[in-house]
Amino acid sequence: QKEVEQDPGPLSVPEGAIVSLNCTYSNSAFQYFMWYRQYSRKGPELLMYTYSSGNKEDGRFTAQVDKSSKYISLFIRDSQPSDSATYLCAMSASTFSGGYNKLIFGAGTRLAVHP
Amino acid sequence: DTEVTQTPKHLVMGMTNKKSLKCEQHMGHRAMYWYKQKAKKPPELMFVYSYEKLSINESVPSRFSPECPNSSLLNLHLHALQPEDSALYLCASSQGKTSGKTDTQYFGPGTRLTVL
Repeated sequence: QKEVEQDPGPLSVPEGAIVSLNCTYSNSAFQYFMWYRQYSRKGPELLMYTYSSGNKEDGRFTAQVDKSSKYISLFIRDSQPSDSATYLCAMSASTFSGGYNKLIFGAGTRLAVHP
Repeated sequence: DTEVTQTPKHLVMGMTNKKSLKCEQHMGHRAMYWYKQKAKKPPELMFVYSYEKLSINESVPSRFSPECPNSSLLNLHLHALQPEDSALYLCASSQGKTSGKTDTQYFGPGTRLTVL
């Protein structure tokens, strides 16, 4: 079993739809949860960062973490064609004593928003 | 500014060539990372430098040789690569604080490497 599971899609939605992207994980030591957006042939761009359980909202994006269920979600409201990209969840435990952290990525979900 | 720059953007090399990938950040970050990403796969960690010292080598073949000349620069030296090494090579950096919290990684645009 992988430490982080994410449905690779593809997910195709009409413009204006609410998109729900999800990841599950098995390691209860994970406390820090991130969503990255990656456009084709580009580097991942940090979208949302959440510590422990709860919700975080930034514009049209909402990140949710449910540590009791080991489940995280990213919601995109009023989706736009420019949101078409691969969305990667990533998570980590605390920073190592050496001052770095090791991210564990999900497989990434490919999202296509059509006009 | 959360910019990590990488050069070159594209690189084509033969299996006998020696080439280098470069990464630069001016955010004062003290941890820098090399990742390899194949198509439709997530990034795979290769190396981590923390305070200019190699902290993690994820059992990467010796034909990949990292170097961290100073806190802003990270190089990846390539020699005698194989066609299966063709991929997007990503550099990332993070603050590197040991506050008990994690710190977020910021990625560069990547170098697309093709080995013939």
